[in-house]
Amino acid sequence: NAGVTQTPKFQVLKTGQSMTLQCAQDMNHNSMYWYRQDPGMGLRLIYYSASEGTTDKGEVPNGYNVSRLNKREFSLRLESAAPSQTSVYFCASNRQVLSGANVLTFGAGSRLTVL
Amino acid sequence: TQLLEQSPQFLSIQEGENLTVYCNSSSVFSSLQWYRQEPGEGPVLLVTVVTGGEVKKLKRLTFQFGDARKDSSLHITAAQPGDTGLYLCAGAPGTYKYIFGTGTRLKVLA
Repeated sequence: NAGVTQTPKFQVLKTGQSMTLQCAQDMNHNSMYWYRQDPGMGLRLIYYSASEGTTDKGEVPNGYNVSRLNKREFSLRLESAAPSQTSVYFCASNRQVLSGANVLTFGAGSRLTVL
Repeated sequence: TQLLEQSPQFLSIQEGENLTVYCNSSSVFSSLQWYRQEPGEGPVLLVTVVTGGEVKKLKRLTFQFGDARKDSSLHITAAQPGDTGLYLCAGAPGTYKYIFGTGTRLKVLA
């Protein structure tokens, strides 16, 4: 099925370890996003990529890096994980609808725990 | 920092009751969307509104975009247990960036 695929679904890290969250979409969308979701705080934008070859900071970029590998893939890297980065991470891609508005399609999420 | 405040944060109602959820900001948005999220899944789009004053209906759900494009409301008529979930509004201050509200967690009791 077409959509946004995230891996891994679950990950436990120790403080200071590094890891990369992978995201791929097969809908030929130009823009892709990484959000984190914490209890009571909705979704906060970490980084986004308006098109292949470009990335921009969102609301909470500190402690993260991203790579837009190609049009399909957008990865999120934690270089030195901290307990404050314990969260559920969502990747999304963007499509434009007939009204001209842009809407987001989300992956199922990656639950990360940092001990 | 642009913020979208949603109210109420939590809502527990009986099946058949009506409810309204609000999404407010001091910023103007080019468009605003409402999403619903079920446990263990990503948010799923319900509706997009792009014109100030616009009203859209989706079966028992009515969405309104404020005249000044700074706020929106979601009204559910005769709520059902299947409406249970986390409701999120999201605003696009520009072309590519999307800011989400704090969310309203709705529980409809049978």
